Amino acid sequence: RKEVEQDPGPFNVPEGATVAFNCTYSNSASQSFFWYRQDCRKEPKLLMSVYSSGNEDGRFTAQLNRASQYISLLIRDSKLSDSATYLCVVNLLYNFNKFYFGSGTKLNVKP
Amino acid sequence: NAGVTQTPKFRILKIGQSMTLQCTQDMNHNYMYWYRQDPGMGLKLIYYSVGAGITDKGEVPNGYNVSRSTTEDFPLRLELAAPSQTSVYFCASRSPGTAETNYNSPLHFGNGTRLTVT
Repeated sequence: RKEVEQDPGPFNVPEGATVAFNCTYSNSASQSFFWYRQDCRKEPKLLMSVYSSGNEDGRFTAQLNRASQYISLLIRDSKLSDSATYLCVVNLLYNFNKFYFGSGTKLNVKP
Repeated sequence: NAGVTQTPKFRILKIGQSMTLQCTQDMNHNYMYWYRQDPGMGLKLIYYSVGAGITDKGEVPNGYNVSRSTTEDFPLRLELAAPSQTSVYFCASRSPGTAETNYNSPLHFGNGTRLTVT
């Protein structure tokens, strides 16, 4: 079983739509959680860290569910510029140099 | 503030050739990493370093070597290039974080080196 699993998509949504992605992780010792976005052939860029109580940054909301071992990303009022691949990244408590990456969920926002 | 800088951006190697991928960061981060990303796959850790003079293997270290003589630089060496090493290579760095943030410290990536071995 993969350490981090994501639906690869693609999610095709119209501008202005709300879209949500989930990511499941297998190791209960996971400590830190992040969402990155990756544009085609570019480096991953940090979108937001995910905190236990959930957090919001503008149109983006991240949630953590430790009991069910998943994190989610909600994007409201989608923009064309949100089109990208969204990577879920998990870091372990007892090995803080070990980051597990999901394969990514592709989002296409259409006009 | 340049962040993490990688060179070259692109390179084509013949089988058996050697090369060094350069990575430097100006954020005074202790931790540095090398990842490779194959098409449609997640990033895989090749090597990492927790400080100058200290390096350790990741998931896929075979065929690669690293050194960390300074805090800023973390070069990745391919000695005998093979087609299986065709990939995009990303260098990343991060700070250790603090107890207040529960050591929640994200990775900062360079813009990658696209390597083809033929």
